[in-house]
Amino acid sequence: GAVVSQHPSWVICKSGTSVKIECRSLDFQATTMFWYRQFPKQSLMLMATSNEGSKATYEQGVEKDKFLINHASLTLSTLTVTSAHPEDSSFYICSAPGATRGLAGGTDTQYFGPGTRLTVL
Amino acid sequence: GNSVTQMEGPVTLSEEAFLTINCTYTATGYPSLFWYVQYPGEGLQLLLKATKADDKGSNKGFEATYRKETTSFHLEKGSVQVSDSAVYFCARATPSMKTSYDKVIFGPGTSLSVIP
Repeated sequence: GAVVSQHPSWVICKSGTSVKIECRSLDFQATTMFWYRQFPKQSLMLMATSNEGSKATYEQGVEKDKFLINHASLTLSTLTVTSAHPEDSSFYICSAPGATRGLAGGTDTQYFGPGTRLTVL
Repeated sequence: GNSVTQMEGPVTLSEEAFLTINCTYTATGYPSLFWYVQYPGEGLQLLLKATKADDKGSNKGFEATYRKETTSFHLEKGSVQVSDSAVYFCARATPSMKTSYDKVIFGPGTSLSVIP
């Protein structure tokens, strides 16, 4: 099936620094990617929609100046957590929509990356 | 509003037991519905989906039927295995204002542990 990768898989940083997380679609092009965060034992919360060649669309309550999203190519979106603080520690997951293989297809099916664990000290 | 509600966990079952995880949604119209699974240490995977009322999604012995009259999409499996231990998320699609792709809204997740 379609593969989405994330890098790094985990990162530890000091408070006040910035961290960049990459999301790549490995075998298909993704003009749109979605970024989520997941707190321990909780569900995924959609943060923003990343659009290739245009500005990202942020969900209500998500600070766009803190979570910078750049979708520079059809296979790469990056999320930069700026001036990170301990409360930003979370599991960040990206996804890309694509045609399914083996199941009924549709543009509303998502392929998820494995996630990036961010710990801010 | 648009939301997804699913039964609280954790759920613990013995191997070969019958599984039901309830899921209900609120929505305008008839969105596509999904069940995603997250195995320990892995990313989310699509388990099954249904795109219209009365559709039944099925995969790996799991089934869920899109019930518009009860706005439900309950997940069932007749005989669970230890390897089914994971967190299961019910989800629905919702149109994105900025792209032609739908966003996915997730329920809170239900942790399932199957013991031998």
